[in-house]
Amino acid sequence: AQTVTQSQPEMSVQEAETVTLSCTYDTSESDYYLFWYKQPPSRQMILVIRQEAYKQQNATENRFSVNFQKAAKSFSLKISDSQLGDAAMYFCAYSDMRFGAGTRLTVKP
Amino acid sequence: DVKVTQSSRYLVKRTGEKVFLECVQDMDHENMFWYRQDPGLGLRLIYFSYDVKMKEKGDIPEGYSVSREKKERFSLILESASTNQTSMYLCASSIRAGGSYEQYFGPGTRLTVT
Repeated sequence: AQTVTQSQPEMSVQEAETVTLSCTYDTSESDYYLFWYKQPPSRQMILVIRQEAYKQQNATENRFSVNFQKAAKSFSLKISDSQLGDAAMYFCAYSDMRFGAGTRLTVKP
Repeated sequence: DVKVTQSSRYLVKRTGEKVFLECVQDMDHENMFWYRQDPGLGLRLIYFSYDVKMKEKGDIPEGYSVSREKKERFSLILESASTNQTSMYLCASSIRAGGSYEQYFGPGTRLTVT
């Protein structure tokens, strides 16, 4: 079965700085999808970014980008120009049913 | 916008009670999911359904059952609630199978079993 590992339970970043959240996964499949979701305090989880494994180009969404290393089975999320509203739990997910333990991101003003 | 709603935000039940958690989505999604979220463990899949009256076990189905009589509604049932089922329960839906589509989540139900 696929597993997803987020090795950083907590991270903090200064406002306007850049932070990278790590995620590794284990799979024997060659075609799959990876996701980063954001869960703000007391609010619903929403999609941040999605990566298709067969695409070599890293996905980007405004200030959010990923570093997808298929051979290393690594899928990190980079948040540039961090804002106070980025403070949340971030979950890495493999396809639609396998989630990591999450990383709590704090943004310091 | 897709909307996924859950019947309660907070619920307190006693050990041994039968508990129903309801989830409704309004975008005609085929897939629906139930997860529990615990600190340090992330989201763990309890059950999912890819069609009306269809269900599949996830990673932790013990002590739970589900019902999907209508496409928009997916219910999670705790047959006899126990204290170790105290948790946050999240419902989600997605367009269809394949693992390539994002999930839309409800606000969650925080269940306490005393």
